Amino acid sequence: ETGVTQTPRHLVMGMTNKKSLKCEQHLGHNAMYWYKQSAKKPLELMFVYNFKEQTENNSVPSRFSPECPNSSHLFLHLHTLQPEDSALYLCASSPREVSVGETQYFGPGTRLLVL
Amino acid sequence: AQKITQTQPGMFVQEKEAVTLDCTYDTSDPSYGLFWYKQPSSGEMIFLIYQGSYDQQNATEGRYSLNFQKARKSANLVISASQLGDSAMYFCAMREADNFGNEKLTFGTGTRLTIIP
Repeated sequence: ETGVTQTPRHLVMGMTNKKSLKCEQHLGHNAMYWYKQSAKKPLELMFVYNFKEQTENNSVPSRFSPECPNSSHLFLHLHTLQPEDSALYLCASSPREVSVGETQYFGPGTRLLVL
Repeated sequence: AQKITQTQPGMFVQEKEAVTLDCTYDTSDPSYGLFWYKQPSSGEMIFLIYQGSYDQQNATEGRYSLNFQKARKSANLVISASQLGDSAMYFCAMREADNFGNEKLTFGTGTRLTIIP
């Protein structure tokens, strides 16, 4: 079973729609992350949750709203998005946020297209 | 200024040959970690190998090895005996602490590797 799952895998939405991305990790980790991957740009960290508490908001516009109800689930609520928000959104988890040597485990991503 | 630099946007390599993917980094933190990830067309980022800044020996994981040259601030990934399944995007990443003591993972722009039969 895949350690980190994301749904949906693909999403097309209009600028006035409201949708949510879901991430679930089955690894018993305590830290979860949202990244945005745009074409030809480095992966951009958006949000970090550590033990369900948000510890990082990397200057993300308010049209992106994260939610972490428990250590296993992470949501990204989307509303009134712009076409430039089209990207691959990756979720990741790690045992805890603060550790130089621990890798993050990534989900397969949600490919979002905003029309 | 870019923290992680991958100068090769794309590479074509003959199957069974070895390939080196370049990565240079910039940090003033004495404690940091370097990672390589593989991203196939399906999208998920797959962890390949890790090198700690204090590690004396170069990291190895199967066909993957990391050529760590600390003074040059480079952490090149070497894939030996390349296979068709190695075709993917490869990302170098660095983990370091920011000014607030939070750990950050910074990625490069990636290298698209294509293995030719």
